[in-house]
Amino acid sequence: EPEVTQTPSHQVTQMGQEVILRCVPISNHLYFYWYRQILGQKVEFLVSFYNNEISEKSEIFDDQFSVERPDGSNFTLKIRSTKLEDSAMYFCASNPQGGDTEAFFGQGTRLTVV
Amino acid sequence: RKEVEQDPGPFNVPEGATVAFNCTYSNSASQSFFWYRQDCRKEPKLLMSVYSSGNEDGRFTAQLNRASQYISLLIRDSKLSDSATYLCVVNNNAGNMLTFGGGTRLMVKP
Repeated sequence: EPEVTQTPSHQVTQMGQEVILRCVPISNHLYFYWYRQILGQKVEFLVSFYNNEISEKSEIFDDQFSVERPDGSNFTLKIRSTKLEDSAMYFCASNPQGGDTEAFFGQGTRLTVV
Repeated sequence: RKEVEQDPGPFNVPEGATVAFNCTYSNSASQSFFWYRQDCRKEPKLLMSVYSSGNEDGRFTAQLNRASQYISLLIRDSKLSDSATYLCVVNNNAGNMLTFGGGTRLMVKP
């Protein structure tokens, strides 16, 4: 069964460092997303990506964050100058066509900023 | 007011019980509705979409009331494996953004 894969599963980084979280969405999907979940809190939308550009972003997704689809398969989230409060589980998701179709989530990258 | 609101629980029920979860959403323009399930420290997984006419999938029944902006999930004959957090999810913008409720935790006990 096709799945969304994320690497690494766990990343520890020092405050102020840059991190890149990687995702391989399901191959025929058109919409890609990043969400985050701080421990014990709800899943929060960060950004959606369609047709090689950002289609929506939340207020959380400020200038510290950027996304890229550098080739036909990878979808990355870059966090510049990480802060302690960026520590969270980051989930990548993809969706074949948006609307009321299912979004498939990757297993997540646990980011710990120390 | 929170965009998607759920009772956090936990709901502690014995095996075989019927349990119902409720959810309210604030954006009347919301277009699509879902229940996702999340196991501890795992990713959310779709349990079922919620349609205006109500829909059933085995032991699970979902209802939507657009006028009241209210969504429900009913689980019949609870199993131990149903223990998880159930997330009410609303799609506000043609597939470009899912808004999650805080989740309702269910614990099914022998």
